[in-house]
Amino acid sequence: AQTVTQSQPEMSVQEAETVTLSCTYDTSENNYYLFWYKQPPSRQMILVIRQEAYKQQNATENRFSVNFQKAAKSFSLKISDSQLGDTAMYFCAFSGGSNYKLTFGKGTLLTVNP
Amino acid sequence: EAQVTQNPRYLITVTGKKLTVTCSQNMNHEYMSWYRQDPGLGLRQIYYSMNVEVTDKGDVPEGYKVSRKEKRNFPLILESPSPNQTSLYFCASSPILSNQPQHFGDGTRLSIL
Repeated sequence: AQTVTQSQPEMSVQEAETVTLSCTYDTSENNYYLFWYKQPPSRQMILVIRQEAYKQQNATENRFSVNFQKAAKSFSLKISDSQLGDTAMYFCAFSGGSNYKLTFGKGTLLTVNP
Repeated sequence: EAQVTQNPRYLITVTGKKLTVTCSQNMNHEYMSWYRQDPGLGLRQIYYSMNVEVTDKGDVPEGYKVSRKEKRNFPLILESPSPNQTSLYFCASSPILSNQPQHFGDGTRLSIL
């Protein structure tokens, strides 16, 4: 069974600074996908970024980028130039195998301070 | 607009009173799934469906039922709700194609008294 661990329950950062959220996972699958979802106070689940395990290049979406270390089973999210609207719960998620299930970490609550 | 629609958004009810949370998607997705979100536990899968008339249990299926009679709809049924089913529920859908990202509904907050 897959597991996803987010070791930082809460983090804070000053506006315009950079912050990194950690995520590790465990799996015996060779082909899988990793995601970061953002959940603002509105409760919506918003996809931030996605990484295919077979791709060595780290995914980037504007101010969001990942550091994917396949051998270490690590998938951290870096947010550059943090904005107040980045304040949210962030979930790391894993998808692999035949049932397309998303296995989520417990989340990291990020607060961006003015 | 492509979306997953859940209803109701909020519901307060009592133990034992059957309820259904509806989920509908307009993207012709084969895959649909229900998750529950509890503080400190993240989201956990309840049931999923790979296509019409094909459903299977996720990690926490006890106390829930689902059906998939049409491709667009995937209702979650609580036959006899109990207080431990008080939670935030999400429906999600995706195509069955190289693990495309799942699209989530806006969530349903259920309180069982």
